[in-house]
Amino acid sequence: DTGVSQDPRHKITKRGQNVTFRCDPISEHNRLYWYRQTLGQGPEFLTYFQNEAQLEKSRLLSDRFSAERPKGSFSTLEIQRTEQGDSAMYLCASSLVTPSTYEQYFGPGTRLTVT
Amino acid sequence: AQSVAQPEDQVNVAEGNPLTVKCTYSVSGNPYLFWYVQYPNRGLQFLLKYITGDNLVKGSYGFEAEFNKSQTSFHLKKPSALVSDSALYFCAVRDSRMDSSYKLIFGSGTRLLVRP
Repeated sequence: DTGVSQDPRHKITKRGQNVTFRCDPISEHNRLYWYRQTLGQGPEFLTYFQNEAQLEKSRLLSDRFSAERPKGSFSTLEIQRTEQGDSAMYLCASSLVTPSTYEQYFGPGTRLTVT
Repeated sequence: AQSVAQPEDQVNVAEGNPLTVKCTYSVSGNPYLFWYVQYPNRGLQFLLKYITGDNLVKGSYGFEAEFNKSQTSFHLKKPSALVSDSALYFCAVRDSRMDSSYKLIFGSGTRLLVRP
């Protein structure tokens, strides 16, 4: 069990640039989630996928944000025209839907700094 | 609307003493409740969950939590704290209703500091 992996771990970008993050879930997990965590706060939900279908998006996910999960495996989160307010830790999680499992397993996160 | 409150920003305890980290929640249906721990520059690590059944649930590293429906609480406990337990702890809730979202709603976190 290799766990959830995220790449890159850190990203520094200038305001107005586009950035893309990747998440590889635990193999055979069919749900994948993206959260954002700012300093001193708990994670906030952004969006989630079941297989390749994006089933829910938060109001936090403005039109500058887009997420994909082609073929139901890894996922990417792209932020266009980054703003300083986008600086945060972006966390990916995955879960397996069974009658007895409900928890989500988190990756190490990608820390984005927008200068 | 779903919400989680962690009323203490920080909990200080001496090593070997029992610890409690408080959590209260609000959901429309029955809750699924979770505790996660976060070490510096790391993601969240799952500790334990309450889904149904026995109100006292046991998890990783000697932690346990007690579900109290009347008080809408899910406090995290450990009989004897270790210095290595020092970390940031998050409580999270999900509504159990079939048509509800699968997203987790997190509290703002409680920093646990265990002094030697």
